[in-house]
Amino acid sequence: DGGITQSPKYLFRKEGQNVTLSCEQNLNHDAMYWYRQDPGQGLRLIYYSQIVNDFQKGDIAEGYSVSREKKESFPLTVTSAQKNPTAFYLCASSPWTSGALETQYFGPGTRLLVL
Amino acid sequence: DAKTTQPNSMESNEEEPVHLPCNHSTISGTDYIHWYRQLPSQGPEYVIHGLTSNVNNRMASLAIAEDRKSSTLILHRATLRDAAVYYCTSQRGGDNAGGTSYGKLTFGQGTILTVHP
Repeated sequence: DGGITQSPKYLFRKEGQNVTLSCEQNLNHDAMYWYRQDPGQGLRLIYYSQIVNDFQKGDIAEGYSVSREKKESFPLTVTSAQKNPTAFYLCASSPWTSGALETQYFGPGTRLLVL
Repeated sequence: DAKTTQPNSMESNEEEPVHLPCNHSTISGTDYIHWYRQLPSQGPEYVIHGLTSNVNNRMASLAIAEDRKSSTLILHRATLRDAAVYYCTSQRGGDNAGGTSYGKLTFGQGTILTVHP
């Protein structure tokens, strides 16, 4: 089955610790995205990548880092600089066609909690 | 990026039509209007999108105002499985020309739809 997988489903972080959230897709999509969702709120864009080895900051990139070494994978690292990391993190992907819009397909999410 | 405004919540009865409104008064001429819905603890699911004309698909219809400052998502016969948070979003489209916000979705707070049996 084609789709997006995120792991783990739940993740616990200690103070001062960096943690990495995994996102993998087998849809052959060029573009991938990371969103953060706080309780009762909409999604906010953290980072996105249009192509391998390239990515751009979204609206709330501070305290986060990403890499895009493979088309299928777009891991997100929540660094110790992110002071309020408790949230639901969603990864998405879409085709990337110049001059056209594309639907985004979302993974099931990772819930990050700070101990 | 265009800001979207939706009512916090709406209720409907099963088998009845539901009209979910969205205001996007700052939308630009090349921004598409997308609707996604999200069940608790799941990722959002695409529902429908449009630019200027009304759109229909198997899930819903999208009615876009002539001035494009508002739109309405129409669920023709609500079912219990339609209970979710519905997000009206805008997505920058048109000529990429190196624009870094191209394709970016901007989400509002969404409308919580409750469907009563």
